[in-house]
Amino acid sequence: DPKIIQKPKYLVAVTGSEKILICEQYLGHNAMYWYRQSAKKPLEFMFSYSYQKLMDNQTASSRFQPQSSKKNHLDLQITALKPDDSATYFCASSQDPGTDTLYFGAGTRLSVL
Amino acid sequence: GEKVEQHQSTLSVREGDSAVINCTYTDTASSYFPWYKQEAGKSLHFVIDIRSNVDRKQSQRLTVLLDKKAKRFSLHITATQPEDSAIYFCAAKMDSNYQLIWGSGTKLIIKP
Repeated sequence: DPKIIQKPKYLVAVTGSEKILICEQYLGHNAMYWYRQSAKKPLEFMFSYSYQKLMDNQTASSRFQPQSSKKNHLDLQITALKPDDSATYFCASSQDPGTDTLYFGAGTRLSVL
Repeated sequence: GEKVEQHQSTLSVREGDSAVINCTYTDTASSYFPWYKQEAGKSLHFVIDIRSNVDRKQSQRLTVLLDKKAKRFSLHITATQPEDSAIYFCAAKMDSNYQLIWGSGTKLIIKP
């Protein structure tokens, strides 16, 4: 059974729309992350959260907003979608922030038309 | 800031041979160096790591070497098998930082 669940697996959106990517982890971890992988930048760190607090944000655009309703949830809201946002978005977790091993979800592949 | 480079975008070896994937980093304060594997169409998973207090770590067919003077670390896979085919990502992190800095990935192809 997957321990990090990302929904949906595939997502197609139109330019200008808004989408929410869902992530839940059942590993009992205290830190969660979002990464983006595209052809242009193979693996790009976006956010890290610990105990539902933002630890690090490397995303320049405010169109990307993480949302944590529970310790084991970290959703990603993307507004005013652009074709350049097309990528696979990976959620990951670790036991604690700075604890080294990351566990990744299966990813959400987003295509913006 | 820290920069991690993987200069080999693709590496092709024959099944049973050894493969070596190299990474360099720029910040001497980096102290943790993991490797992750991504099989085609799948997510990443942890493979092996090394910390700066040692220069070698082995786990079955995998060995990681760290050369702090040269700021270089490498993943050695012996007796390669078809299931080793994947993209391998290296990364580096400082103790004072939560964030891993990633290399661009090396696609390892195992030829029959």
